[in-house]
Amino acid sequence: DTAVSQTPKYLVTQMGNDKSIKCEQNLGHDTMYWYKQDSKKFLKIMFSYNNKELIINETVPNRFSPKSPDKAHLNLHINSLELGDSAVYFCASSQDKGYNEQFFGPGTRLTVL
Amino acid sequence: AQSVSQHNHHVILSEAASLELGCNYSYGGTVNLFWYVQYPGQHLQLLLKYFSGDPLVKGIKGFEAEFIKSKFSFNLRKPSVQWSDTAEYFCAVNDRNQGGKLIFGQGTELSVKP
Repeated sequence: DTAVSQTPKYLVTQMGNDKSIKCEQNLGHDTMYWYKQDSKKFLKIMFSYNNKELIINETVPNRFSPKSPDKAHLNLHINSLELGDSAVYFCASSQDKGYNEQFFGPGTRLTVL
Repeated sequence: AQSVSQHNHHVILSEAASLELGCNYSYGGTVNLFWYVQYPGQHLQLLLKYFSGDPLVKGIKGFEAEFIKSKFSFNLRKPSVQWSDTAEYFCAVNDRNQGGKLIFGQGTELSVKP
């Protein structure tokens, strides 16, 4: 059973489009995260939700909007995609607001043309 | 601001060689420390973690790391690498008071020659 799953795995789209990435975890964790990995493999946190409440919001353009319908799901919606949004996006989850280790999903490779 | 620095961008070793990857962080508070590994085309997996206690921690696949508080370091070691250890290795710091935000180092690409 996959602990943290993401869909889609690959996403190729044109500039200006709107797209969503979905994330689900079946670990019973209360905190979920979105990270962006750029072309140099550098990982940076974007958002974190704890029990559906936003607790971390890094300096991310407001074209990015996370949504957490319940504590097992954290989706990422991106409006007006730009070339610079091309990256691998990882979802993660943990217990206790990240005091413990975070479990990562397989990633979504987004390519904006 | 917190930061994590990994000394080596790319390390190339032959099988059976010993490995040490450096990691330093800048933060004066109480932190949790992690090493994650990313095999080619895969997601991040936890190698080991340090929260408190014995500063020498053992992880999976024969990896270990030593936390030296005075040096703000958390170096990763393995006595004898295998070809299957070829991967990207990330050191990360988690400030217990900042909602679990993981700050990652730049990553070290390890290539092991058979």
